[in-house]
Amino acid sequence: SQQGEEDPQALSIQEGENATMNCSYKTSINNLQWYRQNSGRGLVHLILIRSNEREKHSGRLRVTLDTSKKSSSLLITASRAADTASYFCATVPPSNTGKLIFGQGTTLQVKP
Amino acid sequence: DAGVIQSPRHEVTEMGQEVTLRCKLISGHNSLFWYRQTMMRGLELLIYFNNNVPIDDSGMPEDRFSAKMPNASFSTLKIQPSEPRDSAVYFCASSRDRGGGNTIYFGEGSWLTVV
Repeated sequence: SQQGEEDPQALSIQEGENATMNCSYKTSINNLQWYRQNSGRGLVHLILIRSNEREKHSGRLRVTLDTSKKSSSLLITASRAADTASYFCATVPPSNTGKLIFGQGTTLQVKP
Repeated sequence: DAGVIQSPRHEVTEMGQEVTLRCKLISGHNSLFWYRQTMMRGLELLIYFNNNVPIDDSGMPEDRFSAKMPNASFSTLKIQPSEPRDSAVYFCASSRDRGGGNTIYFGEGSWLTVV
């Protein structure tokens, strides 16, 4: 069963623009993670934000977490064509058993 | 440092045949996850192991699916007999602990088509 729902399902922007993807989830979490998947490849971990954190940065990535709204957002600034991929949020329950539950993903296309 | 290694990368098989997917964990990792990805259902966690012990297999679709860890660095996912609805990409992933707070590393996937 899917825990998270990403919004939008698909996003198309021009190179240099910012891309924002949102993730909503249903139950309490220990942490939330974002992954990227290039076409035909496996998933690659981007960033992890814990339930007691509100914002985190990594390079051109900025992640926010609002546990009261059970939502997170991933912002990619100054996008590049190479950022074209699918982006998934994944949640870990408070029991922290390692069970990572993924959302359906957002497909991002960055046009050169 | 080699990542998670899966084999085969692609397999086409006939309905009713046995399928075995293989996975080699990253050295030093002790948690192993099998995921299945389809367009309709997205990424589904099938089963995960910690220190060779299955912790949660609630995602395994039915008795036709079985997973094992014969040793700390290797796992198999078996489907017997296979059905067309099993067609999907199967990912193996590993992490250093139970994975809750640590990064999970994915293999490149095994693309299974059952005809």
